[in-house]
Amino acid sequence: SQTIHQWPATLVQPVGSPLSLECTVEGTSNPNLYWYRQAAGRGLQLLFYSVGIGQISSEVPQNLSASRPQDRQFILSSKKLLLSDSGFYLCAWSRDPTNEQYFGPGTRLTVT
Amino acid sequence: QQQVKQSPQSLIVQKGGISIINCAYENTAFDYFPWYQQFPGKGPALLIAIRPDVSEKKEGRFTISFNKSAKQFSLHIMDSQPGDSATYFCAASKHYKLSFGAGTTVTVRA
Repeated sequence: SQTIHQWPATLVQPVGSPLSLECTVEGTSNPNLYWYRQAAGRGLQLLFYSVGIGQISSEVPQNLSASRPQDRQFILSSKKLLLSDSGFYLCAWSRDPTNEQYFGPGTRLTVT
Repeated sequence: QQQVKQSPQSLIVQKGGISIINCAYENTAFDYFPWYQQFPGKGPALLIAIRPDVSEKKEGRFTISFNKSAKQFSLHIMDSQPGDSATYFCAASKHYKLSFGAGTTVTVRA
């Protein structure tokens, strides 16, 4: 069976500090990978998606970047955090060509 | 611009009652319509999904009704239980990317 991991689970960072969130998927190969952000009481906003190693598509201009150094690893980064970067960050995977996306447990980021 | 509009924002239902959540979309290129259930502090979990060539899909107490001509779809939760209290999101997919509704918080009173 497939499992998706995210860490850390929670993070409190000061404004202007860097960010690195990691997501890994087990039990499948060549998954599509996604990063979403969920603001409090809001829906999910797609930030980045990747269909393969080194292939990243950005959906929303922002202070964040994503990388996929390995087949089942997806990283979300920032060089300098803003207050508006606070939120619940979710990683998801899907198996091409299905559309079913499965989400990880999320990372709660608070920028102070 | 929100591509999927979801209503109501919240609802309260008595145990054993029916919860109904509605969603509407504009883009006819969407080809997959899932519903997700999310508990506080957790990631969303895929609940049930439908494709536009089907008008209804049922899995246990959860049913999706799909009206292609009206570009609307809905989730019905039958015999609602306290454990169903959660936030529900509809979504629509095009080219493997999901657009989500804003969510509906369902509270089931015992």
